[in-house]
Amino acid sequence: AQSVAQPEDQVNVAEGNPLTVKCTYSVSGNPYLFWYVQYPNRGLQFLLKYITGDNLVKGSYGFEAEFNKSQTSFHLKKPSALVSDSALYFCAVRLGRTTDSWGKLQFGAGTQVVVTP
Amino acid sequence: NAGVTQTPKFRVLKTGQSMTLLCAQDMNHEYMYWYRQDPGMGLRLIHYSVGEGTTAKGEVPDGYNVSRLKKQNFLLGLESAAPSQTSVYFCASSQQGAGTEAFFGQGTRLTVV
Repeated sequence: AQSVAQPEDQVNVAEGNPLTVKCTYSVSGNPYLFWYVQYPNRGLQFLLKYITGDNLVKGSYGFEAEFNKSQTSFHLKKPSALVSDSALYFCAVRLGRTTDSWGKLQFGAGTQVVVTP
Repeated sequence: NAGVTQTPKFRVLKTGQSMTLLCAQDMNHEYMYWYRQDPGMGLRLIHYSVGEGTTAKGEVPDGYNVSRLKKQNFLLGLESAAPSQTSVYFCASSQQGAGTEAFFGQGTRLTVV
């Protein structure tokens, strides 16, 4: 079975401060991890992904995420938040072909980020 | 450059009516997905497909059926709509491979009264 958890419903941060959105996963194999962002009344947009290799991955709009295998986490970070970063953020996990549910892409519940001026 | 297109964008159904949501992608993607989004519940996977002619159940498949007769289309059917199926439905597609990112449609807002 695979699952992904986002422990915070909402994260509030002042503009210019660092932003962290947490994600933990539970899988029985090697995970492929993703972050997406959703703006109001829009579909989801891809931000970044971890497949293998360097634990720190960089993505769009200045976002990065750190994969930590021992803590089964994949937290999203941005050094200096902007008001325009206010949106709903989703973590997702997919397993590879060695598992029965390969291809299945499963999302967390989402974290609302509010950046105040 | 359409990407993933969902039809219709809005719909109001009466309880017990049936309807089909259409998802079309023009990127020659192998994988396709249907999700529903409800407040506080995130995106929940209804059904997915890893190739033409194949479908599989997700987390919340009850009350829905799907078909993938053509590679570019993934249809989601509601045979007898219920108020609990009021939601925003998203379709997504991706290339073959676990590490490929998904592309999303703009969503279908369905209300069942």
